[in-house]
Amino acid sequence: GQQLNQSPQSMFIQEGEDVSMNCTSSSIFNTWLWYKQEPGEGPVLLIALYKAGELTSNGRLTAQFGITRKDSFLNISASIPSDVGIYFCAGNAGNNRKLIWGLGTSLAVNP
Amino acid sequence: EAGVTQFPSHSVIEKGQTVTLRCDPISGHDNLYWYRRVMGKEIKFLLHFVKESKQDESGMPNNRFLAERTGGTYSTLKVQPAELEDSGVYFCASSQDHRQGLNTFGSGTRLTVV
Repeated sequence: GQQLNQSPQSMFIQEGEDVSMNCTSSSIFNTWLWYKQEPGEGPVLLIALYKAGELTSNGRLTAQFGITRKDSFLNISASIPSDVGIYFCAGNAGNNRKLIWGLGTSLAVNP
Repeated sequence: EAGVTQFPSHSVIEKGQTVTLRCDPISGHDNLYWYRRVMGKEIKFLLHFVKESKQDESGMPNNRFLAERTGGTYSTLKVQPAELEDSGVYFCASSQDHRQGLNTFGSGTRLTVV
C-alpha cells in the first residue's frame, strides 16, 4: 500500500533556529497536509497544499507541494518554545478520501 | 463553536471486554472520520461517514469493530471483544467540506487493553 516516509523522526533545537522536515511518498499525491499535535490534543491543521509546486506560508511556517507530487516539506523559521510538538505530514491520491499519514517528527525546542 | 468532543478520554479494559467510544462532531458537519494511532506507528484511517451513511469503511481492522452514526449526529465506535493489539489512540474528526485537510480533530480516546 501507499506509504509516507517522514524525516527526521525527531529534532532537538535551540530557540531561534530554523527547522526543516519533509515527507516523501511512493506514489503521486493530490493533496499534502501538515499537522501539529500537542500533548493530549488531536492533530491541528497547519497548512494544506492542493497543487504541485504550491508554496504556502502560515506565519513562520512555510510548506511546499513538490513538483513531482511525491514529496513535501515544512519549514519553521525562528523557532520558539511553543513550537514543541509532533508534526505530521499527510496526503491522499486521486479521489480516495483516505488520508495517508507520516510517522511524525517530534520537535523539542530548548529556550 | 464547540469543537469535536470525544468520550472517554482514556479507557483501560481487559482483553475480551467491550468498549464503546463516542464522538460528537461539530454541529452541522456531515463528514465524520475515525482514525487510530497505535504506538510507534502512523495514524491510520478507519472509516468515513457522510451523515448517517458509511462512505468508506475500508480501514476498519476486522469485524470486532463496529461504527455507527444513527441520525447523522454523534458516532460510536465499539470494539467487541477487545484484543491487546487494539490499544492506541482513537481520533475522531469532522468537517462540512469533503476535501481532506479541512477536518477538525477531537482530542482522542486513549484505549489500553490489558
